[in-house]
Amino acid sequence: NAGVTQTPKFRVLKTGQSMTLLCAQDMNHEYMYWYRQDPGMGLRLIHYSVGEGTTAKGEVPDGYNVSRLKKQNFLLGLESAAPSQTSVYFCASSYSTGVVGNQPQHFGDGTRLSIL
Amino acid sequence: AQSVTQLDSQVPVFEEAPVELRCNYSSSVSVYLFWYVQYPNQGLQLLLKYLSGSTLVKGINGFEAEFNKSQTSFHLRKPSVHISDTAEYFCAVRVQGAQKLVFGQGTRLTINP
Repeated sequence: NAGVTQTPKFRVLKTGQSMTLLCAQDMNHEYMYWYRQDPGMGLRLIHYSVGEGTTAKGEVPDGYNVSRLKKQNFLLGLESAAPSQTSVYFCASSYSTGVVGNQPQHFGDGTRLSIL
Repeated sequence: AQSVTQLDSQVPVFEEAPVELRCNYSSSVSVYLFWYVQYPNQGLQLLLKYLSGSTLVKGINGFEAEFNKSQTSFHLRKPSVHISDTAEYFCAVRVQGAQKLVFGQGTRLTINP
Protein backbone atom coordinates (compact mmCIF):
# COMPACT_ATOMS: atom_id res chain seq x y z
CA ASN A 1 0.00 0.00 0.00
CA ALA A 2 1.44 3.36 -1.05
CA GLY A 3 -0.46 5.53 1.45
CA VAL A 4 0.78 9.12 1.15
CA THR A 5 3.51 9.77 -1.44
CA GLN A 6 5.47 12.99 -1.67
CA THR A 7 7.48 14.13 -4.68
CA PRO A 8 10.33 15.07 -4.75
CA LYS A 9 12.15 13.79 -1.65
CA PHE A 10 14.95 16.38 -1.87
CA ARG A 11 15.39 19.67 -3.66
CA VAL A 12 17.79 22.59 -3.62
CA LEU A 13 16.58 25.92 -4.95
CA LYS A 14 18.05 29.35 -5.40
CA THR A 15 16.35 32.37 -3.86
CA GLY A 16 13.58 33.59 -6.12
CA GLN A 17 13.02 30.31 -7.94
CA SER A 18 9.63 28.65 -7.93
CA MET A 19 8.64 25.04 -7.48
CA THR A 20 5.73 22.75 -6.70
CA LEU A 21 5.65 19.90 -4.23
CA LEU A 22 3.25 17.09 -5.03
CA CYS A 23 1.34 14.98 -2.53
CA ALA A 24 -0.70 11.98 -3.61
CA GLN A 25 -2.80 9.66 -1.45
CA ASP A 26 -4.54 6.45 -2.41
CA MET A 27 -6.79 6.04 0.65
CA ASN A 28 -9.73 8.08 -0.66
CA HIS A 29 -9.27 10.58 2.17
CA GLU A 30 -11.28 13.78 2.09
CA TYR A 31 -8.86 15.91 4.10
CA MET A 32 -5.30 16.76 3.15
CA TYR A 33 -2.70 18.92 4.90
CA TRP A 34 0.68 20.52 4.31
CA TYR A 35 3.04 21.07 7.25
CA ARG A 36 6.55 22.34 7.65
CA GLN A 37 8.88 20.95 10.30
CA ASP A 38 11.66 23.06 11.75
CA PRO A 39 13.96 22.18 14.67
CA GLY A 40 12.37 22.86 18.05
CA MET A 41 9.09 24.02 16.54
CA GLY A 42 7.26 20.78 15.87
CA LEU A 43 4.98 20.72 12.85
CA ARG A 44 3.22 23.86 11.75
CA LEU A 45 0.24 23.78 9.43
CA ILE A 46 0.69 25.72 6.18
CA HIS A 47 -2.55 25.04 4.30
CA TYR A 48 -5.16 22.33 4.33
CA SER A 49 -8.08 21.09 2.28
CA VAL A 50 -11.35 19.51 3.36
CA GLY A 51 -12.31 18.39 -0.12
CA GLU A 52 -11.67 18.60 -3.83
CA GLY A 53 -11.62 22.21 -5.00
CA THR A 54 -11.41 23.69 -1.48
CA THR A 55 -8.41 24.99 0.44
CA ALA A 56 -7.87 26.97 3.64
CA LYS A 57 -5.01 28.73 5.39
CA GLY A 58 -3.25 27.21 8.33
CA GLU A 59 -0.86 28.70 10.86
CA VAL A 60 1.95 29.79 8.49
CA PRO A 61 0.48 30.30 4.98
CA ASP A 62 2.53 33.30 3.78
CA GLY A 63 4.71 32.61 0.75
CA TYR A 64 2.86 29.41 -0.18
CA ASN A 65 -0.07 28.53 -2.39
CA VAL A 66 -1.97 25.26 -2.74
CA SER A 67 -4.37 23.57 -5.08
CA ARG A 68 -6.62 20.53 -4.80
CA LEU A 69 -7.92 19.90 -8.30
CA LYS A 70 -8.26 16.16 -7.72
CA LYS A 71 -9.28 14.43 -4.51
CA GLN A 72 -6.12 12.34 -4.38
CA ASN A 73 -3.63 15.17 -5.00
CA PHE A 74 -2.64 18.23 -2.99
CA LEU A 75 -0.03 20.56 -4.45
CA LEU A 76 2.09 23.05 -2.51
CA GLY A 77 3.66 25.88 -4.48
CA LEU A 78 6.43 28.32 -3.68
CA GLU A 79 6.22 31.21 -6.15
CA SER A 80 9.44 32.95 -5.10
CA ALA A 81 11.51 30.84 -2.73
CA ALA A 82 13.23 32.49 0.25
CA PRO A 83 15.91 31.08 2.59
CA SER A 84 13.36 31.17 5.43
CA GLN A 85 11.44 28.47 3.59
CA THR A 86 14.27 25.99 4.03
CA SER A 87 12.54 23.20 5.90
CA VAL A 88 11.20 19.68 5.77
CA TYR A 89 7.70 19.61 4.33
CA PHE A 90 5.19 16.92 5.22
CA CYS A 91 1.90 16.10 3.62
CA ALA A 92 -0.83 14.27 5.52
CA SER A 93 -4.32 13.02 4.81
CA SER A 94 -7.28 11.76 6.81
CA TYR A 95 -10.91 10.83 6.52
CA SER A 96 -13.43 13.53 7.30
CA THR A 97 -13.45 14.42 10.97
CA GLY A 98 -17.22 14.76 10.90
CA VAL A 99 -18.80 15.18 14.26
CA VAL A 100 -16.42 12.80 15.98
CA GLY A 101 -13.10 14.24 14.94
CA ASN A 102 -11.08 11.20 15.82
CA GLN A 103 -9.65 10.33 12.45
CA PRO A 104 -5.83 10.14 12.63
CA GLN A 105 -3.70 11.73 9.96
CA HIS A 106 -1.47 9.62 7.74
CA PHE A 107 1.85 11.20 6.80
CA GLY A 108 4.18 11.03 3.84
CA ASP A 109 7.95 10.66 4.29
CA GLY A 110 8.65 14.34 3.71
CA THR A 111 10.42 16.62 1.25
CA ARG A 112 13.68 18.21 2.33
CA LEU A 113 13.90 21.63 0.71
CA SER A 114 16.93 23.91 0.88
CA ILE A 115 16.84 27.47 -0.40
CA LEU A 116 20.23 29.03 -1.07
CA ALA B 1 -6.99 28.61 20.90
CA GLN B 2 -5.52 25.33 21.96
CA SER B 3 -1.81 24.72 22.49
CA VAL B 4 0.44 21.78 23.30
CA THR B 5 3.61 21.84 25.39
CA GLN B 6 6.08 19.01 25.51
CA LEU B 7 8.11 19.69 28.58
CA ASP B 8 11.34 17.99 27.51
CA SER B 9 13.08 18.58 24.18
CA GLN B 10 15.43 15.64 24.75
CA VAL B 11 15.22 12.56 26.97
CA PRO B 12 18.19 10.19 27.23
CA VAL B 13 17.61 6.81 28.88
CA PHE B 14 19.38 3.50 29.14
CA GLU B 15 18.10 0.44 27.31
CA GLU B 16 15.51 -1.54 29.27
CA ALA B 17 14.83 1.42 31.58
CA PRO B 18 11.34 2.94 31.86
CA VAL B 19 10.57 6.26 30.20
CA GLU B 20 7.94 8.97 30.45
CA LEU B 21 7.52 11.72 27.87
CA ARG B 22 5.45 14.59 29.16
CA CYS B 23 2.73 16.48 27.33
CA ASN B 24 0.43 19.21 28.57
CA TYR B 25 -2.28 20.94 26.60
CA SER B 26 -4.53 23.93 26.99
CA SER B 27 -8.03 24.14 25.61
CA SER B 28 -11.33 25.53 26.79
CA VAL B 29 -13.29 22.78 25.06
CA SER B 30 -13.11 19.01 24.80
CA VAL B 31 -10.23 17.61 22.80
CA TYR B 32 -8.90 14.45 21.22
CA LEU B 33 -5.26 13.64 21.99
CA PHE B 34 -2.64 11.84 19.93
CA TRP B 35 0.96 10.70 20.16
CA TYR B 36 2.97 10.30 16.97
CA VAL B 37 6.46 8.87 16.48
CA GLN B 38 8.95 9.95 13.83
CA TYR B 39 11.88 7.69 13.05
CA PRO B 40 14.91 9.25 11.30
CA ASN B 41 14.19 10.42 7.77
CA GLN B 42 10.59 9.26 7.90
CA GLY B 43 7.16 10.75 8.32
CA LEU B 44 5.04 10.57 11.46
CA GLN B 45 3.27 7.39 12.52
CA LEU B 46 0.38 7.22 14.96
CA LEU B 47 1.35 5.60 18.29
CA LEU B 48 -1.94 5.95 20.12
CA LYS B 49 -4.94 8.20 20.59
CA TYR B 50 -7.39 9.20 23.29
CA LEU B 51 -10.93 9.84 22.15
CA SER B 52 -13.12 9.12 25.19
CA GLY B 53 -13.73 6.46 27.83
CA SER B 54 -10.86 4.84 29.70
CA THR B 55 -8.16 7.35 30.52
CA LEU B 56 -5.40 4.79 29.97
CA VAL B 57 -4.83 4.06 26.32
CA LYS B 58 -2.47 1.49 24.88
CA GLY B 59 -0.68 1.90 21.58
CA ILE B 60 1.79 0.12 19.39
CA ASN B 61 5.29 -1.00 20.39
CA GLY B 62 4.38 -1.31 24.09
CA PHE B 63 3.63 2.39 24.64
CA GLU B 64 0.73 3.67 26.69
CA ALA B 65 -0.54 7.08 27.74
CA GLU B 66 -2.80 8.39 30.44
CA PHE B 67 -5.24 11.22 29.99
CA ASN B 68 -5.57 13.44 33.06
CA LYS B 69 -8.28 16.01 32.55
CA SER B 70 -7.70 17.89 35.79
CA GLN B 71 -4.03 18.36 35.01
CA THR B 72 -4.61 18.72 31.25
CA SER B 73 -1.88 16.19 30.61
CA PHE B 74 -1.37 13.21 28.31
CA HIS B 75 1.97 11.68 29.26
CA LEU B 76 3.45 8.81 27.24
CA ARG B 77 5.09 5.87 29.01
CA LYS B 78 6.90 2.66 28.28
CA PRO B 79 8.09 0.30 31.04
CA SER B 80 11.20 -0.92 29.21
CA VAL B 81 12.68 0.79 26.16
CA HIS B 82 14.72 -0.69 23.33
CA ILE B 83 17.32 0.79 21.02
CA SER B 84 14.70 0.72 18.28
CA ASP B 85 12.60 3.26 20.22
CA THR B 86 15.12 5.98 19.39
CA ALA B 87 13.00 8.57 17.60
CA GLU B 88 11.25 11.89 17.99
CA TYR B 89 7.84 11.84 19.63
CA PHE B 90 5.10 14.38 19.07
CA CYS B 91 2.02 15.04 21.14
CA ALA B 92 -0.94 16.56 19.28
CA VAL B 93 -4.43 17.80 20.11
CA ARG B 94 -7.55 18.30 18.06
CA VAL B 95 -10.55 20.21 19.31
CA GLN B 96 -13.79 18.30 18.86
CA GLY B 97 -15.38 19.33 15.57
CA ALA B 98 -12.24 20.98 14.20
CA GLN B 99 -10.25 19.82 11.20
CA LYS B 100 -6.80 20.75 12.42
CA LEU B 101 -4.22 19.13 14.67
CA VAL B 102 -1.97 21.24 16.86
CA PHE B 103 1.41 19.69 17.53
CA GLY B 104 3.85 20.07 20.39
CA GLN B 105 7.48 20.87 19.76
CA GLY B 106 8.58 17.24 19.93
CA THR B 107 10.74 15.20 22.32
CA ARG B 108 13.81 13.41 21.05
CA LEU B 109 14.19 10.06 22.82
CA THR B 110 17.72 8.66 22.81
CA ILE B 111 18.36 5.13 24.06
CA ASN B 112 21.84 4.36 25.34
CA PRO B 113 23.10 0.76 25.50
